[in-house]
Amino acid sequence: DAGVIQSPRHEVTEMGQEVTLRCKPISGHNSLFWYRQTMMRGLELLIYFNNNVPIDDSGMPEDRFSAKMPNASFSTLKIQPSEPRDSAVYFCASSFGASGGYEQFFGPGTRLTVL
Amino acid sequence: QKEVEQNSGPLSVPEGAIASLNCTYSDRGSQSFFWYRQYSGKSPELIMFIYSNGDKEDGRFTAQLNKASQYVSLLIRDSQPSDSATYLCAVTGNQFYFGTGTSLTVIP
Repeated sequence: DAGVIQSPRHEVTEMGQEVTLRCKPISGHNSLFWYRQTMMRGLELLIYFNNNVPIDDSGMPEDRFSAKMPNASFSTLKIQPSEPRDSAVYFCASSFGASGGYEQFFGPGTRLTVL
Repeated sequence: QKEVEQNSGPLSVPEGAIASLNCTYSDRGSQSFFWYRQYSGKSPELIMFIYSNGDKEDGRFTAQLNKASQYVSLLIRDSQPSDSATYLCAVTGNQFYFGTGTSLTVIP
């Protein structure tokens, strides 16, 4: 198995631009998580899906952030418009199970820089 | 109060020593507890999980859980330079929370 796949690995954009991050979970996993990691705040859960349905989006910072999971093998996290404070590493993780009680496998992350 | 607290470190131990990493959590309903290791510039990877009170050993790693004290720890015996990383404590119950991590350096 290729593991969790994320793209792009690095993204540099200017303030105000739209950013779309992509994730392909491990085949057979039915939960998908989006995290943001910064030095100041550590690893923060933004949203998680179970069976393609958003279960908890309380970590999404504001309306500029949105996430979708149109099918079991693909998810996107979109930021529109982007701001410099959105600069962080964004991780996608997947697990087999209906909640966080199972091991989560992380993708390599997308390093986002907003100028 | 944060849901999961860890001492950020850095923690430095000599090679061959025991490294002790600690974590406290606030949600008494928490059910599952995980330790992840994250090398610089890499993604977190699971090294241990524990669900029940007591100790759980896996090779050089021992996880300890005390639900009454809301405390979970990770011991690394015979520490190696390759253990140098940030260790993240994760706790799940109704929600899923990571601590901010403890940076460990093992000095050869």
